[in-house]
Amino acid sequence: NAGVMQNPRHLVRRRGQEARLRCSPMKGHSHVYWYRQLPEEGLKFMVYLQKENIIDESGMPKERFSAEFPKEGPSILRIQQVVRGDSAAYFCASSPPGAPDTQYFGPGTRLTVL
Amino acid sequence: AQSVTQPDIHITVSEGASLELRCNYSYGATPYLFWYVQSPGQGLQLLLKYFSGDTLVQGIKGFEAEFKRSQSSFNLRKPSVHWSDAAEYFCAVGARNFNKFYFGSGTKLNVKP
Repeated sequence: NAGVMQNPRHLVRRRGQEARLRCSPMKGHSHVYWYRQLPEEGLKFMVYLQKENIIDESGMPKERFSAEFPKEGPSILRIQQVVRGDSAAYFCASSPPGAPDTQYFGPGTRLTVL
Repeated sequence: AQSVTQPDIHITVSEGASLELRCNYSYGATPYLFWYVQSPGQGLQLLLKYFSGDTLVQGIKGFEAEFKRSQSSFNLRKPSVHWSDAAEYFCAVGARNFNKFYFGSGTKLNVKP
């Protein structure tokens, strides 16, 4: 059973471009969480999704950031018009139905904005 | 407001020595507490968790943690550290509905031979 997969592992964008980060949860997992880790800091919650639903997006910046978890395919975190301050590691975690307390983390996508 | 404090940014211990990593939390309800480990360039791996019951919990890799409600602490311990334990350790508190976790800023552990 493959773990949580994230791609790309490294992403470089210039200011103003769009960044798309993908997360494939573990097989059978229906809950996906996105976190952002700035250098020298812990992880900060961004958004919690179930299939086709955003459950909690209280950690998402109000502008330029969006997330989805469609019925088919991976979860996508989208950052429009990236700025240097968006440079960070973005981690996805998934959990199975009925066990949201146990989150399995992916290896992360490291976004660098030039 | 919910928060997690890990007061030690870096800790260095000798291989074979004991280890204690500190974690203090602020949470308005009964906390669900976790410790994760992150190796360089990797995601987080769950070491152990506490929900209720016995305040001393055992985890993987020989780690344990003790929940002390009176001190709002959940310190991680290991009696004898191995070189492979060098990593960054994160304490986290979870909301009852597990919608989100709040993470501390991490403690980087260095192990001397």
